[in-house]
Amino acid sequence: KNEVEQSPQNLTAQEGEFITINCSYSVGISALHWLQQHPGGGIVSLFMLSSGKKKHGRLIATINIQEKHSSLHITASHPRDSAVYICAVIWVGSQGNLIFGKGTKLSVKP
Amino acid sequence: GAGVSQSPSNKVTEKGKDVELRCDPISGHTALYWYRQRLGQGLEFLIYFQGNSAPDKSGLPSDRFSAERTGESVSTLTIQRTQQEDSAVYLCASSLFFPGNSPLHFGNGTRLTVT
Repeated sequence: KNEVEQSPQNLTAQEGEFITINCSYSVGISALHWLQQHPGGGIVSLFMLSSGKKKHGRLIATINIQEKHSSLHITASHPRDSAVYICAVIWVGSQGNLIFGKGTKLSVKP
Repeated sequence: GAGVSQSPSNKVTEKGKDVELRCDPISGHTALYWYRQRLGQGLEFLIYFQGNSAPDKSGLPSDRFSAERTGESVSTLTIQRTQQEDSAVYLCASSLFFPGNSPLHFGNGTRLTVT
């Protein structure tokens, strides 16, 4: 059983749409990472969160510790945002072992 | 400075051979991870090094897999007697400190094909 659940698994959007990707986890965490994996395979770290909200350009990440839930939002989406978005968490008390969600595959059409 | 560097970028090997994969983390990064990603699947944790502490080896799938890291520098992942199911992209990542406190930086991976 995967303890980090992402939804949706696949998402197709039109250029310009507002996009939300969700991540839920089952126990207390010390941090949550949002990662982006492009079709070529390279992985880039987008955000690291332990509380609240972070913004970088058109990307916004929020986390609700009480509800064990995080969201990644993309405003004014563009075809170059097409990628797999991965949520990863570090459990409280963990040595640092990251547990990954299965990813959300986003395709933005022009 | 340079990012996380992995070598080789591609490796094709015959079943039963041993392979060694290398990861050069960003200089000064204390934490280093190895992951595996099979075709069309998610990331799978293999092993985690944090400074001079004993590594977390809980993700290694069998005793054919081992990894070493000297201090806070290069790490090597060794797979002995390779099997076809070992075919995957092997990714390395590093972070400055404990990854609950600092972002992760990923290498481009080594694509391993076992024939």
